[in-house]
Amino acid sequence: AQTVTQSQPEMSVQEAETVTLSCTYDTSESDYYLFWYKQPPSRQMILVIRQEAYKQQNATENRFSVNFQKAAKSFSLKISDSQLGDAAMYFCAYRSLNNAGNMLTFGGGTRLMVKP
Amino acid sequence: KAGVTQTPRYLIKTRGQQVTLSCSPISGHRSVSWYQQTPGQGLQFLFEYFSETQRNKGNFPGRFSGRQFSNSRSEMNVSTLELGDSALYLCASSLGAGTRYAYEQYFGPGTRLTVT
Repeated sequence: AQTVTQSQPEMSVQEAETVTLSCTYDTSESDYYLFWYKQPPSRQMILVIRQEAYKQQNATENRFSVNFQKAAKSFSLKISDSQLGDAAMYFCAYRSLNNAGNMLTFGGGTRLMVKP
Repeated sequence: KAGVTQTPRYLIKTRGQQVTLSCSPISGHRSVSWYQQTPGQGLQFLFEYFSETQRNKGNFPGRFSGRQFSNSRSEMNVSTLELGDSALYLCASSLGAGTRYAYEQYFGPGTRLTVT
């Protein structure tokens, strides 16, 4: 079974600065997807960024980018030019490609606080 | 396009009762997955339904069950409620098959269940 670990329960960043959230995972599979989801307080979870394991290039979505290190099984999220609206819980998630179904394995989450 | 909707948003039940939660996926999505979110256990996968069939199941007792209707709407049922069932129950919909991004899951706002 796969496991996902987020070692930082809480992080804080000054508005306009850059912050990196860590995620490591354990799997014996060679092909899979990784995701970062954002869950703002009392609001629904939204997909921030995705990475397909077969792609060597790191995914980027506007101010969000990842550092995907497949050999190290590491998948960190970098948020540049942090904004107050970035304050939320961030979850790293893994999806196996070994079955046809949709099952996400989540890390424990990192609470990001943004200071004005 | 309307997003994923869940009803009810809040529910208070007594130990021993049963409860039914409902999820309406995004139009055209055929897969609905259910997750339980608690402070202690984090986000855990319950089950997934695709075209009215259970395609994946997490490690939860048989008190947790679900079904999907021909219009892709899904319900989950918890019988003989326990205090530990208090949680935010999230559903997520996806296309489920057929395209490269069929696996991407879109979450609803959740149903907060409190068991007293």
